[in-house]
Amino acid sequence: NAGVMQNPRHLVRRRGQEARLRCSPVKGHSHVYWYRQLPEEGLKFMVYLQKENIIDESGMPKERFSAEFPKEGPSILRIQQVVRGDSAAYFCASSPPQGWTEAFFGQGTRLTVV
Amino acid sequence: GESVGLHLPTLSVQEGDNSIINCAYSNSASDYFIWYKQESGKGPQFIIDIRSNMDKRQGQRVTVLLNKTVKHLSLQIAATQPGDSAVYFCAEVGNTGNQFYFGTGTSLTVIP
Repeated sequence: NAGVMQNPRHLVRRRGQEARLRCSPVKGHSHVYWYRQLPEEGLKFMVYLQKENIIDESGMPKERFSAEFPKEGPSILRIQQVVRGDSAAYFCASSPPQGWTEAFFGQGTRLTVV
Repeated sequence: GESVGLHLPTLSVQEGDNSIINCAYSNSASDYFIWYKQESGKGPQFIIDIRSNMDKRQGQRVTVLLNKTVKHLSLQIAATQPGDSAVYFCAEVGNTGNQFYFGTGTSLTVIP
């Protein structure tokens, strides 16, 4: 799982600011998944993307959250006008087209909203 | 919606003993399950998986058992070592095949 790179590892934002979380998948992986983990809880699915396409965003909050996975560059999870409840660890996983059996997680970005 | 939960939030075992971590799932249509290990400050790490057409699968020091009748998974760790201390999650693949549903996790502490 060392191949999935997330940055920054830690991010502090004031309420109302924007947070941008980046995920570079394993080389050759075309599928990216974002999960959120609150303290003492499991991982909650947010969004599933392929290059230039959002496949499933059923876990994304309707407002302030967006994700993209451009043809070139990392996948970005963007949170606008952050609130304290957004404080969490955000994990990215990537997989090849054949799916989850070869998926790997990154180390996560820990977002703290103050 | 689907839910995956664990019976015990914490588990302490003596080094060298065997550990058993349990997990209940609710979606009988799920056909793929994975156990992940998450160490403090790190991302989940794949341990072992099992498909619904199997009852048991063994890896190195780990065994996963699947009981579809009662929708129950267990992870058995043989000869538990201090390096096994972590939070363990079970996850099931959702109907779409795109989502993994994770339980809260069980925190395993190995006592030297």
